Amino acid sequence: EDQVTQSPEALRLQEGESSSLNCSYTVSGLRGLFWYRQDPGKGPEFLFTLYSAGEEKEKERLKATLTKKESFLHITAPKPEDSATYLCAVQAWGETSGSRLTFGEGTQLTVNP
Amino acid sequence: DSGVTQTPKHLITATGQRVTLRCSPRSGDLSVYWYQQSLDQGLQFLIHYYNGEERAKGNILERFSAQQFPDLHSELNLSSLELGDSALYFCASSSRTGGGNTIYFGEGSWLTVV
Repeated sequence: EDQVTQSPEALRLQEGESSSLNCSYTVSGLRGLFWYRQDPGKGPEFLFTLYSAGEEKEKERLKATLTKKESFLHITAPKPEDSATYLCAVQAWGETSGSRLTFGEGTQLTVNP
Repeated sequence: DSGVTQTPKHLITATGQRVTLRCSPRSGDLSVYWYQQSLDQGLQFLIHYYNGEERAKGNILERFSAQQFPDLHSELNLSSLELGDSALYFCASSSRTGGGNTIYFGEGSWLTVV
């Protein structure tokens, strides 16, 4: 069974204080690892897809990296508007998996001004 | 705006009732997924349809059913509702069923069962 574990559960940062969020995963065969941002009461907003170990992707203050067992979402010089829950999900190979995403519980990020 | 449209946005209903949630995928997307998000659980996969055919089932209760129509919109039917069914229900879509495709989520339908 595919499993995704995110840490920490919650993270408070001061504006400008860089940090990283962790996503550890166990999957039979990784098709892709996804990062989403979710604001309260809203749908997840797509950020990145990573496909293979060593891959990196960047978007504004966010950078996602992937190894064979985990992914990191690095946040550089965050701003209050970066406050949200960040979700990690894996998509696995397999007939019964379809294209489903298996999500972690998320990391709730708060950036104080 | 992801391009995935869900209606209704909010719904309050009584236990034992039946409701239908509707989803219009992004233009051109053939795959539709349904997820449930409750306060004490993360996003749970319910079901995946591709071009009208069921492709995968997750932890979907027998009281719940879904279908995808020829125009590619999808409906999630929830019956004999219980208090524990109160949750945010998300629809998502992607262009194909293959691996690595981006999956875009709608804004969700808030269901409250009283």
